[in-house]
Amino acid sequence: GNSVTQMEGPVTLSEEAFLTINCTYTATGYPSLFWYVQYPGEGLQLLLKATKADDKGSNKGFEATYRKETTSFHLEKGSVQVSDSAVYFCASNDYKLSFGAGTTVTVRA
Amino acid sequence: DTEVTQTPKHLVMGMTNKKSLKCEQHMGHRAMYWYKQKAKKPPELMFVYSYEKLSINESVPSRFSPECPNSSLLNLHLHALQPEDSALYLCASSQRGDNSPLHFGNGTRLTVT
Repeated sequence: GNSVTQMEGPVTLSEEAFLTINCTYTATGYPSLFWYVQYPGEGLQLLLKATKADDKGSNKGFEATYRKETTSFHLEKGSVQVSDSAVYFCASNDYKLSFGAGTTVTVRA
Repeated sequence: DTEVTQTPKHLVMGMTNKKSLKCEQHMGHRAMYWYKQKAKKPPELMFVYSYEKLSINESVPSRFSPECPNSSLLNLHLHALQPEDSALYLCASSQRGDNSPLHFGNGTRLTVT
């Protein structure tokens, strides 16, 4: 089966700082990879995805590149805002969606 | 705004009650899911329906009973729950249930007293 390991937080940043959340996966096949974001009191929202090696997913200033050689899908944003405060989940879908443990990000003004 | 609608938003029930959670989507998706999420944890898969048939049951206790009346609706019937079942219950849908991304509702916050 597949599994996902992501860096655990919490992560606290100042506005306009650079954000990186590391994520690595194990899979028997060639999974699709996702980042989901969960804002307080809400469900999960798809932030970005990549379906094959070297694909780059991007949305709302966030980016992640599917790296098959390092089995990684690290999330990055160059300049975070207070509104980016949320829990971020990396996920891998081989035949079933597997989530990482989640990383709580707090951005301070 | 989420395209997957869950009702109610909050539910408090006693251990002898029977209640139901409801989920609706109108995106034409053919796979629907129930997840359970405890505080500060990732969602845990409970059930998957694919083309209105139950395809995955992750060894969920029988006090949780899913139902898929049609391709747009998904219910979760609850009976004789335990306090440890208190959690956020999330419904999700996807186009085909393969590698297509999941669309989540905002969940029902369940408290069992």
